[in-house]
Amino acid sequence: DTGVSQDPRHKITKRGQNVTFRCDPISEHNRLYWYRQTLGQGPEFLTYFQNEAQLEKSRLLSDRFSAERPKGSFSTLEIQRTEQGDSAMYLCASSLEGTANYGYTFGSGTRLTVV
Amino acid sequence: AQRVTQPEKLLSVFKGAPVELKCNYSYSGSPELFWYVQYSRQRLQLLLRHISRESIKGFTADLNKGETSFHLKKPFAQEEDSAMYYCALLNQGGKLIFGQGTELSVKP
Repeated sequence: DTGVSQDPRHKITKRGQNVTFRCDPISEHNRLYWYRQTLGQGPEFLTYFQNEAQLEKSRLLSDRFSAERPKGSFSTLEIQRTEQGDSAMYLCASSLEGTANYGYTFGSGTRLTVV
Repeated sequence: AQRVTQPEKLLSVFKGAPVELKCNYSYSGSPELFWYVQYSRQRLQLLLRHISRESIKGFTADLNKGETSFHLKKPFAQEEDSAMYYCALLNQGGKLIFGQGTELSVKP
């Protein structure tokens, strides 16, 4: 297991296009989190899953954003009709339920640039 | 409100000097606090947790509930300590809430 993997590492898209990112967590971790990080800011929570259930969504997650974790393993984050304000680093993290006090394991992130 | 505040965006020190990165939090329950570090071109990684009261790479952090602080300290900074440091709070729902981050620059 090589940790949390995110794909792609970078994505440049035109405004109005749809994009999808993928996250593969550590295999035994049943919790998966998505965060967004803009320049000069700390990571901001977007949503998280426990197994395949999406348990919480931030108000930052507009209707254009959707996340899934269909089989409780990998997750996808889709942004529809991208806007320039969506440009950010999208981070994925995972943990095992009940062990979050040991911290999350983060992926390298997907950097989205909307032009 | 659940909030983590890191008042300094940038902290610049010379090698060998003491370092203190400030973190204050707002949380009504019993907080669990962390420091994460991000070295250049690397992923965010856990540095230390308050619950373990450990010292990692010479860094320590003590939770002060009276001052609602969790400052990160190191007596003698090294150039390899240069990185972004994020203080984070784990709420009862298991969600990490991050501060804005402090960039530490250690000059030779």
